[in-house]
Amino acid sequence: KQEVTQIPAALSVPEGENLVLNCSFTDSAIYNLQWFRQDPGKGLTSLLLIQSSQREQTSGRLNASLDKSSGRSTLYIAASQPGDSATYLCAVKNYGQNFVFGPGTRLSVLP
Amino acid sequence: EAQVTQNPRYLITVTGKKLTVTCSQNMNHEYMSWYRQDPGLGLRQIYYSMNVEVTDKGDVPEGYKVSRKEKRNFPLILESPSPNQTSLYFCASSLSFGGQGISTNEKLFFGSGTQLSVL
Repeated sequence: KQEVTQIPAALSVPEGENLVLNCSFTDSAIYNLQWFRQDPGKGLTSLLLIQSSQREQTSGRLNASLDKSSGRSTLYIAASQPGDSATYLCAVKNYGQNFVFGPGTRLSVLP
Repeated sequence: EAQVTQNPRYLITVTGKKLTVTCSQNMNHEYMSWYRQDPGLGLRQIYYSMNVEVTDKGDVPEGYKVSRKEKRNFPLILESPSPNQTSLYFCASSLSFGGQGISTNEKLFFGSGTQLSVL
């Protein structure tokens, strides 16, 4: 059964810093992986979706990479801003299966 | 505007009083799903539907019912709510479910959530 972990559980950085969030999964035969952002008490917003055939996806200051062989994905946020403060979740999907979500990393960007 | 709409946003009820949380999407999505989110346990899937009249259990289906009579609607029913069902509930949808060969069609869109308290 697929298991997804995220490290660190929480992260606090000063504004302007570049940062990396990590996502690990146990079954490397994935179909795709999504990164989400969740603001407190709100729904999840999909940030990036990486297909199994891709190594990375970029959207603005966000870059997500995928290394299936090692069971890892990273979300890189460049030049962080206070508005980036939120919880970031990754979700992994195997073929024909539902998404399995990680526990999330709570990010605080300090002005 | 493309969106997933859940109602109500907040709900306080008492043990045993039947309730329904509605979910509607306007994107002609085939796949819809319900999740609950609890501190320390993360997001767990309750039920999902791959199309009209097709529903299946997720990881934590006990105490819940769903129906999918129309493509756009996927209500969550608690026939006899109990305090352990106090949680934050999310509905989500995507254009398709795995197997159609287009991975990007599985981008998940979430509703704003329903905070349920069962006393």
